[in-house]
Amino acid sequence: AQSVAQPEDQVNVAEGNPLTVKCTYSVSGNPYLFWYVQYPNRGLQFLLKYITGDNLVKGSYGFEAEFNKSQTSFHLKKPSALVSDSALYFCAVRDINNNDMRFGAGTRLTVKP
Amino acid sequence: DTEVTQTPKHLVMGMTNKKSLKCEQHMGHRAMYWYKQKAKKPPELMFVYSYEKLSINESVPSRFSPECPNSSLLNLHLHALQPEDSALYLCASSRQLSGGETGELFFGEGSRLTVL
Repeated sequence: AQSVAQPEDQVNVAEGNPLTVKCTYSVSGNPYLFWYVQYPNRGLQFLLKYITGDNLVKGSYGFEAEFNKSQTSFHLKKPSALVSDSALYFCAVRDINNNDMRFGAGTRLTVKP
Repeated sequence: DTEVTQTPKHLVMGMTNKKSLKCEQHMGHRAMYWYKQKAKKPPELMFVYSYEKLSINESVPSRFSPECPNSSLLNLHLHALQPEDSALYLCASSRQLSGGETGELFFGEGSRLTVL
C-alpha cells in the first residue's frame, strides 16, 4: 500500500527565515505526490504536486518542494516564511491504479513574528 | 474560493435523527470523495465515486450511506449516528485517473457535524 510519513508534528520558524516541512513516501512504482495546506475550520487547499519531470516543483504562495528519489522524500520548502503561512500542512500520495488519495499525519507550522 | 460547495456548514443532530450532507461541483470532475477529519488529524478516506459509481468504500459503518445522483452532486446520508462520529466531513472532487491524468483533489470547506 502507498503511504506518506511526516516525521514532525510541529515546526516553528521565525518570520523571514526559510522553512522546511518534511515528508517521506513509500510507493510501488512511480509516486504521485502532493502537498496541501489547511487553515483552521477550513477545507484543504492544494499547494503543489510532483508527477514527473524536474525534481524541484514550484507551487502556490511561494512554496516549492524537492523530490528526492534516493531518499524517498518530498520536502516542502519556502525561502522566507510569513506569519500567514502558519497552518496545518499535509503531504499526500495518490495511487495511480485508482482514485485513492492518502494523507500523512500532518505538520503544524507556526511562524512567529 | 473553493469550487466545491458543501452544505450545511454546521449540523447538530441527535442519535436518532436522519440527516444528509450535500456536496456540489461544476468543474466536470468525474471522481468525488467523502473524507472524515477529526480535530488535528489527517482526513480519512470514506468513499470514492467514479463516474457516479461507488468505487471505494473504506469499511465505513452502514449508518453512513453515500449517494451520487449525478456527476455534479454527492450526498452523505446519516442515520443513527454515535457521538464519536462528530467530525469535519470533507467532500472533494478530481479529474478521473485515466490516460495519464494525475489531478489533484479540490476540497470543499467541510460540514462540521456534532452528534449529541
